[in-house]
Amino acid sequence: ELKVEQNPLFLSMQEGKNYTIYCNYSTTSDRLYWYRQDPGKSLESLFVLLSNGAVKQEGRLMASLDTKARLSTLHITAAVHDLSATYFCAVSTGTASKLTFGTGTRLQVTL
Amino acid sequence: GAGVSQSPSNKVTEKGKDVELRCDPISGHTALYWYRQSLGQGLEFLIYFQGNSAPDKSGLPSDRFSAERTGGSVSTLTIQRTQQEDSAVYLCASSLFGGTYYGYTFGSGTRLTVV
Repeated sequence: ELKVEQNPLFLSMQEGKNYTIYCNYSTTSDRLYWYRQDPGKSLESLFVLLSNGAVKQEGRLMASLDTKARLSTLHITAAVHDLSATYFCAVSTGTASKLTFGTGTRLQVTL
Repeated sequence: GAGVSQSPSNKVTEKGKDVELRCDPISGHTALYWYRQSLGQGLEFLIYFQGNSAPDKSGLPSDRFSAERTGGSVSTLTIQRTQQEDSAVYLCASSLFGGTYYGYTFGSGTRLTVV
């Protein structure tokens, strides 16, 4: 059974600081997704990582994928308050393409 | 449509009643998924439709849950004889060709409360 673990579960950080969220998964996969969820809202797609060594950046967020280590990271650079949200990683395997989600990381950026 | 549309946005029902949740995917998306988000269980896969293939029902938690997709477009998730543990946000997503390269677009969800 595929398991996806994220850490930390909760992250409080000051504006301007850097930090990394980690996503480990248990089964071979080369398809990993990052989503953002604001309170009471749905999931917003951030990144789609499809191959080993893939790196994508959007603004202050950068995601990478190491399929050999079964690890993805979401790096936050110089955090701003607007980045406060819950971030989920998800892995897709097999022909069914269903997503298995991590537990989520609630990010709180304080002024 | 421009996005994945779900209705109703909120539903309060009495224990034991049946409910129907609707999802209207993005036009042209062949794949449609239902997920459930609850405090204790996180985000769980429920069911997946891809074109005319038989749906993957492996995530449905009990036989009280069923879903159908008519004409390859709109889907309805039905929960019979609702229980309090069914209270959750039910999210629908659609994708082009199973999501691999283009990702998945989620609707805003239906918040179900069973009292």
